[in-house]
Amino acid sequence: GAGVSQSPSNKVTEKGKDVELRCDPISGHTALYWYRQSLGQGLEFLIYFQGNSAPDKSGLPSDRFSAERTGGSVSTLTIQRTQQEDSAVYLCASSFQSGGGGEQFFGPGTRLTVL
Amino acid sequence: KNQVEQSPQSLIILEGKNCTLQCNYTVSPFSNLRWYKQDTGRGPVSLTIMTFSENTKSNGRYTATLDADTKQSSLHITASQLSDSASYICVGRIKAAGNKLTFGGGTRVLVKP
Repeated sequence: GAGVSQSPSNKVTEKGKDVELRCDPISGHTALYWYRQSLGQGLEFLIYFQGNSAPDKSGLPSDRFSAERTGGSVSTLTIQRTQQEDSAVYLCASSFQSGGGGEQFFGPGTRLTVL
Repeated sequence: KNQVEQSPQSLIILEGKNCTLQCNYTVSPFSNLRWYKQDTGRGPVSLTIMTFSENTKSNGRYTATLDADTKQSSLHITASQLSDSASYICVGRIKAAGNKLTFGGGTRVLVKP
């Protein structure tokens, strides 16, 4: 389909390992967002990319978290030295426009479990 | 304190019945307020969007209302169906927060036959 896709859908890792989560946004969408959704909690903003501008990293919880977006399309969220509290669903969203009412279209998420 | 509060946290209703979900926000002004539906294991999908000047918006059996004076929004589901079982999330795009969205904690709705 033409929606936002994420991989893997599920990831189980051991504490201390690094993980990479991938997001393929909708073609032509210039804005890309990463969110974290912990069990029973609301979505938590992590990072936002808009075109070639410097990303808004204000939501990243620690320096173990980083993200990049190559060629203005695919994005990778990397979590280094994972901790059990990193267990959550990581959602990616993209939108055609960043300001005002641009609707964000969400991917299905990656469920991360840190043992 | 979350800037967008939803109630109830969860709700069980019988198929065919109506229900209303509440959303209170404490920060304004905002660009728009959306209600999203999130099925289990899926990403949220937008149901309705309203600017502060609108007070009602419908999408099929879903009707959202907004009272900018009391800073309250509601989502009314009419003649519920089993497929309405999901989490419903109220989301504000707060102007002061730039392009970031502020999410409520969601209301989990379970429709029983």
